[in-house]
Amino acid sequence: AQTVTQSQPEMSVQEAETVTLSCTYDTSESDYYLFWYKQPPSRQMILVIRQEAYKQQNATENRFSVNFQKAAKSFSLKISDSQLGDAAMYFCAYKTGNSKLTFGKGITLSVRP
Amino acid sequence: GAVVSQHPSWVICKSGTSVKIECRSLDFQATTMFWYRQFPKQSLMLMATSNEGSKATYEQGVEKDKFLINHASLTLSTLTVTSAHPEDSSFYICSARRPSARNEQFFGPGTRLTVL
Repeated sequence: AQTVTQSQPEMSVQEAETVTLSCTYDTSESDYYLFWYKQPPSRQMILVIRQEAYKQQNATENRFSVNFQKAAKSFSLKISDSQLGDAAMYFCAYKTGNSKLTFGKGITLSVRP
Repeated sequence: GAVVSQHPSWVICKSGTSVKIECRSLDFQATTMFWYRQFPKQSLMLMATSNEGSKATYEQGVEKDKFLINHASLTLSTLTVTSAHPEDSSFYICSARRPSARNEQFFGPGTRLTVL
């Protein structure tokens, strides 16, 4: 079965600094998708970034980028120039094709002003 | 991105009553919708997968007679919590899959259920 592991329950970052959230996963599939979702206090799930496993290039969305290491089954999220609005719970997730999303336990990120 | 709505956003009910939560895809047709349950500071737990026109597929440990799911149209799925008890109090989130090459999933804003 596929599993997604986020081993750090909490992290804190100074405003304007950079922070990296880690995620590892386990799968026997070769073609899959990886995601980072943000859940702010409103609890609305927001897609931050996605990565297709067949793509070697790391996905980037403005201040958010990933370090996708397929062989190591690692998918970390880097947030640059952290802002107060980045404070939220972040979930790493995995899916293949039409399968269901498998979520990690999540990490709570706080941003210090 | 696509929009998914949920109604109500919060509900308080008495123990023993039934509560219906609606999930709508507002600007696309969703053949598949998902229902999740989330406790504070925890991850989303998939309860069931709802396919339009067919019976929902429930995850192991989820009581299908307790959590009734109906996906009657391509834009609406409902979750009914029957004979609710305080332990059913939780945050319920739906998501809808938009058919496309990317098969993206879009999340509703969630419904907070409190059972007294």
